[in-house]
Amino acid sequence: ETGVTQTPRHLVMGMTNKKSLKCEQHLGHNAMYWYKQSAKKPLELMFVYNFKEQTENNSVPSRFSPECPNSSHLFLHLHTLQPEDSALYLCASSRDRGGNQPQHFGDGTRLSIL
Amino acid sequence: LAKTTQPISMDSYEGQEVNITCSHNNIATNDYITWYQQFPSQGPRFIIQGYKTKVTNEVASLFIPADRKSSTLSLPRVSLSDTAVYYCLVGDTNAGKSTFGDGTTLTVKP
Repeated sequence: ETGVTQTPRHLVMGMTNKKSLKCEQHLGHNAMYWYKQSAKKPLELMFVYNFKEQTENNSVPSRFSPECPNSSHLFLHLHTLQPEDSALYLCASSRDRGGNQPQHFGDGTRLSIL
Repeated sequence: LAKTTQPISMDSYEGQEVNITCSHNNIATNDYITWYQQFPSQGPRFIIQGYKTKVTNEVASLFIPADRKSSTLSLPRVSLSDTAVYYCLVGDTNAGKSTFGDGTTLTVKP
């Protein structure tokens, strides 16, 4: 139990579908992150939110749309995805963005694009 | 970005001590060294963090020489459940100023 919960754990969708991934943390953290982990590849940082404001977008295609309504919740809205988007999507949180605070990760959503 | 180099894989046996070394020649003055562990189909888990000398917690020890250009994660008396990928990160991960590399895949054998 890491304190970061992601739902769903598994998702299969077609390229024309629209779905959303959800992340929730009750650790009192102010920073939240989305990562992508493809098979045999390192984790790739996608988005960073600090106090609900997006502070980083690492050149992520617009078919991925993040939303952070409050410091405890983070969403990743998906639409018109491609087969190469199949991966494990991980959410993480940390106390804040600075000072090398360790990140707490959820167990991810395994996404498969048909 | 702070770059790290770790062995791709290591094998060990139950009950042995395992030392995984990470090289980070371009570490900056303010950078910390952080290690994570990841099991298949799970997110990484924070293991230990240090700035210099030695840090120890209930899970592992982290040895950092005076020049800080490398660090060694030490896992005492490993068990089969320690089989995982171990990542060494240097710098401010939260500001996107360090990255998860390929990590070291540790396989513990009976």
